[in-house]
Amino acid sequence: GENVEQHPSTLSVQEGDSAVIKCTYSDSASNYFPWYKQELGKGPQLIIDIRSNVGEKKDQRIAVTLNKTAKHFSLHITETQPEDSAVYFCAASNSGGYQKVTFGTGTKLQVIP
Amino acid sequence: GAVVSQHPSWVICKSGTSVKIECRSLDFQATTMFWYRQFPKQSLMLMATSNEGSKATYEQGVEKDKFLINHASLTLSTLTVTSAHPEDSSFYICSTRETSVTDTQYFGPGTRLTVL
Repeated sequence: GENVEQHPSTLSVQEGDSAVIKCTYSDSASNYFPWYKQELGKGPQLIIDIRSNVGEKKDQRIAVTLNKTAKHFSLHITETQPEDSAVYFCAASNSGGYQKVTFGTGTKLQVIP
Repeated sequence: GAVVSQHPSWVICKSGTSVKIECRSLDFQATTMFWYRQFPKQSLMLMATSNEGSKATYEQGVEKDKFLINHASLTLSTLTVTSAHPEDSSFYICSTRETSVTDTQYFGPGTRLTVL
């Protein structure tokens, strides 16, 4: 089955700096890669996703890049703000049939004011 | 994004009792819903896939007789934890997928279960 690794497990940045979270996946059949933000005591919230036919996607301060050859994808947050502090999860799935999503282990991001 | 609700948001029960958690898709019909469990400071672990009108598909190691799933309509799935034990205490989260070909999942706010 799919295995998703995520690094780093914790990340502290100064407000205004950029944050980068990296993930690797094992199953070459995976073609859908969502990123979720989870605040304490809440369910995960989809913040951005990318499909395997695209190398990069951007939405305001958030961008995701995908390298299918190397099987890794990254989340980039620019101009970080204190409200960006949360746990971020990457995930991977194969769009066919079952569509099971495999999650990474999570990154706790702390933005220091 | 899509709106998914869960009820209750938290529940405390005695060991040996059963607890039912509801998951509702509020703005689209969901033929498939997913149930996850999350322990503190850990990632989400898929427990089962709930299919409307048919039996749920359980992940390896998840007891289907302990975690009963019913997906009776396109907007409602329920998870019943039977004969709950303290080790079942966890954060239970459901997610929904639209009926269309999209594979995007939207998560509910979660239910915190504490078994005394």
